[in-house]
Amino acid sequence: DTAVSQTPKYLVTQMGNDKSIKCEQNLGHDTMYWYKQDSKKFLKIMFSYNNKELIINETVPNRFSPKSPDKAHLNLHINSLELGDSAVYFCASSQADRGNGYTFGSGTRLTVV
Amino acid sequence: AQTVTQSQPEMSVQEAETVTLSCTYDTSESDYYLFWYKQPPSRQMILVIRQEAYKQQNATENRFSVNFQKAAKSFSLKISDSQLGDAAMYFCALRGRFGAGTRLTVKP
Repeated sequence: DTAVSQTPKYLVTQMGNDKSIKCEQNLGHDTMYWYKQDSKKFLKIMFSYNNKELIINETVPNRFSPKSPDKAHLNLHINSLELGDSAVYFCASSQADRGNGYTFGSGTRLTVV
Repeated sequence: AQTVTQSQPEMSVQEAETVTLSCTYDTSESDYYLFWYKQPPSRQMILVIRQEAYKQQNATENRFSVNFQKAAKSFSLKISDSQLGDAAMYFCALRGRFGAGTRLTVKP
């Protein structure tokens, strides 16, 4: 039983395409996150949702749009993909009022060609 | 907004020796949790240790311990008896925000 699952694990696509990455958690956590990890391993937070409400919206291009249909799901849609979007994208979840930390998915390696 | 700073891009330690990774942070909150995460080449993010800010006692998990200095907003990770399997990227985290990471190399 995977706690935080994201699909797909690998995604290769051409510039200009639109793609989505899905994330689901079965931990009952109330907060979910999207991170981008570039080639230098820097883990940059992009978005965070708490009970379906957007609480962190970092400076990212508006081509990136998160969607949270319910508190167990947080999807990431990317429009008009660019070469610089190539990275590993991690989904994570946590329970905001506990100190158990963040549970991460295994990551999606996105390659834009 | 909270910020997390790791000023050591790379560290190296001899097997069985001790190494300390540094982390400083900034927050206006008085109660919060701090975390250290490990990311081996498999890219999986693994929780190493956590510290609750209102607890003065430093957290310890086997060979891993922290030196938490709340007034100085410092949260360093000490790894004792380093093992080859400790080689990884290490990230400090606060409120969903992560530092830039420290790449730890363990020499046999």
